Amino acid sequence: GAVVSQHPSWVICKSGTSVKIECRSLDFQATTMFWYRQFPKQSLMLMATSNEGSKATYEQGVEKDKFLINHASLTLSTLTVTSAHPEDSSFYICSALDWGGNTEAFFGQGTRLTVV
Amino acid sequence: KNQVEQSPQSLIILEGKNCTLQCNYTVSPFSNLRWYKQDTGRGPVSLTIMTFSENTKSNGRYTATLDADTKQSSLHITASQLSDSASYICVVSPGRSGGSYIPTFGRGTSLIVHP
Repeated sequence: GAVVSQHPSWVICKSGTSVKIECRSLDFQATTMFWYRQFPKQSLMLMATSNEGSKATYEQGVEKDKFLINHASLTLSTLTVTSAHPEDSSFYICSALDWGGNTEAFFGQGTRLTVV
Repeated sequence: KNQVEQSPQSLIILEGKNCTLQCNYTVSPFSNLRWYKQDTGRGPVSLTIMTFSENTKSNGRYTATLDADTKQSSLHITASQLSDSASYICVVSPGRSGGSYIPTFGRGTSLIVHP
């Protein structure tokens, strides 16, 4: 099946710094990618929808200036957590939409962010 | 509003036993329904994907059913193993003609398999 690579798998950063997470579709072009956040023992929460070549669409309550999304190519979307704080510590997951066939979403491995 | 409801919220079974997870949805128009398995600290992994015309699909010990008329799906796990302990997420995608193409996620069922 299609592969989505997310990097890094885990990161620890100091409070106030910014962290960039990459999401790549390895064997298909993904015009649409999604970014999710997941707290322990909770379901995935959609943060934003990233469309190649245009501005991302953020879900209600998600600060667009805090979570910068760039989808500059058909295979890469990035999420930058700016001025990170301990409450931003979470598990971030991306998924890429393969419009061919069954319009299936494939998930990255996730990134565990810890802000200290 | 498109919704996906999963039940039970959590389930504990003994190793070797069978179990069935439920998913009801109101997504319309319907494109496909997928079951994912998510191990703790990992991204979800697709188990099955079903379109409107499919009633049953198997993947090893996992068998998914779909009733598009009643908008219900189930995931049956046979002869459970300790490695089946995970969250199982039902995701329903709308048809593109419906305007929104964003998949709707259920909250998941947390399965724990005890030895």
